[in-house]
Amino acid sequence: EDQVTQSPEALRLQEGESSSLNCSYTVSGLRGLFWYRQDPGKGPEFLFTLYSAGEEKEKERLKATLTKKESFLHITAPKPEDSATYLCAVQASGANSKLTFGKGITLSVRP
Amino acid sequence: DVKVTQSSRYLVKRTGEKVFLECVQDMDHENMFWYRQDPGLGLRLIYFSYDVKMKEKGDIPEGYSVSREKKERFSLILESASTNQTSMYLCASSLARSGRVQETQYFGPGTRLLVL
Repeated sequence: EDQVTQSPEALRLQEGESSSLNCSYTVSGLRGLFWYRQDPGKGPEFLFTLYSAGEEKEKERLKATLTKKESFLHITAPKPEDSATYLCAVQASGANSKLTFGKGITLSVRP
Repeated sequence: DVKVTQSSRYLVKRTGEKVFLECVQDMDHENMFWYRQDPGLGLRLIYFSYDVKMKEKGDIPEGYSVSREKKERFSLILESASTNQTSMYLCASSLARSGRVQETQYFGPGTRLLVL
């Protein structure tokens, strides 16, 4: 069974204090790993897709990396507007497009 | 820009009522999905569909059914609403079954359902 574990559950940072969010996964053949951002009361917003170990993607202050067992979402010099819940999901090789989600990491950035 | 819309942002229903949640996507996506999201449990897949009139059970299909009569529209039906179906319901769509870029799922804004 595919599993995704995100840590920590919650993270509080000071504005400008860089940090990383972790997503550990177990999957029978990784087809893709996805990062989403979700604001309170809204649907998840797509950030990145990573397909193979060693791959990296960047967008503004966010950088996602992938190894064979985990992915990190690095946040450089965060701002209060980066406060949100960050979701990680994996898609296994196979016949369908199902995603398995982690429970998310709630990030709070204080000014 | 991909756009997924859901018929209601907030819904209040009574126990035993039949509830319809509608989802529409405007990007000619083949795949559509229904999830529910609950605190501490994350997103859980209820049903998904690869094509018109096709449906497959997700991880928690009990108490739900779906309908996909047109490619752009995917409906979630609660046959007899119960209080444990109070949740945030999220619809998503993706372009196609094969190919890497096409697998990304895009989500709607969600419907917060309260069953009294």
